[in-house]
Amino acid sequence: DTEVTQTPKHLVMGMTNKKSLKCEQHMGHRAMYWYKQKAKKPPELMFVYSYEKLSINESVPSRFSPECPNSSLLNLHLHALQPEDSALYLCASSLYAVQETQYFGPGTRLLVL
Amino acid sequence: AQTVTQSQPEMSVQEAETVTLSCTYDTSESNYYLFWYKQPPSRQMILVIRQEAYKQQNATENRFSVNFQKAAKSFSLKISDSQLGDTAMYFCAFMKQGNTPLVFGKGTRLSVIA
Repeated sequence: DTEVTQTPKHLVMGMTNKKSLKCEQHMGHRAMYWYKQKAKKPPELMFVYSYEKLSINESVPSRFSPECPNSSLLNLHLHALQPEDSALYLCASSLYAVQETQYFGPGTRLLVL
Repeated sequence: AQTVTQSQPEMSVQEAETVTLSCTYDTSESNYYLFWYKQPPSRQMILVIRQEAYKQQNATENRFSVNFQKAAKSFSLKISDSQLGDTAMYFCAFMKQGNTPLVFGKGTRLSVIA
């Protein structure tokens, strides 16, 4: 089973809203990732968690706040977003953060009005 | 910094034919990993194939195979007997050893025509 699930599938929010994206995997993977993907572009890495600790933060604005409550779950808390933050947000996981294949979820399509 | 170049933004192929997608990369590392990912219009990114740089044998997964030329820093993907379901964006990606991010190419949009 190489399944990574993400909820919600779609999200529309205003610039003053607070919302959260959720990602879950039950493959025993110890590394989880958030990516942002604009249309017709490759994914851009935002955050990496390894053993539930933030190991890479690619200079992401503080309006994006990741959280890893346990080894199976990864959240992305959103607050005061801008319209240019509208994108597909992909979660991925891998067995470890080193030299391992990443498996992607279906993504959450976010629209900020 | 590592870079990955996919020089074909769009390609098309007739159903049942063979197509090759090109990918080149730039690195000074000797040990690294290369991937091809497929992203169909449904948008879920799926791993197609993975190659370890220390392995001389080209990776194969059913109708998908790679031509890995380490000296030339080339990693092309061959799709045999193309099917309509192969229509997707294909991303080539590079990862060096250690806790380092995946580096993606810009992608090649492949259309399989009936």
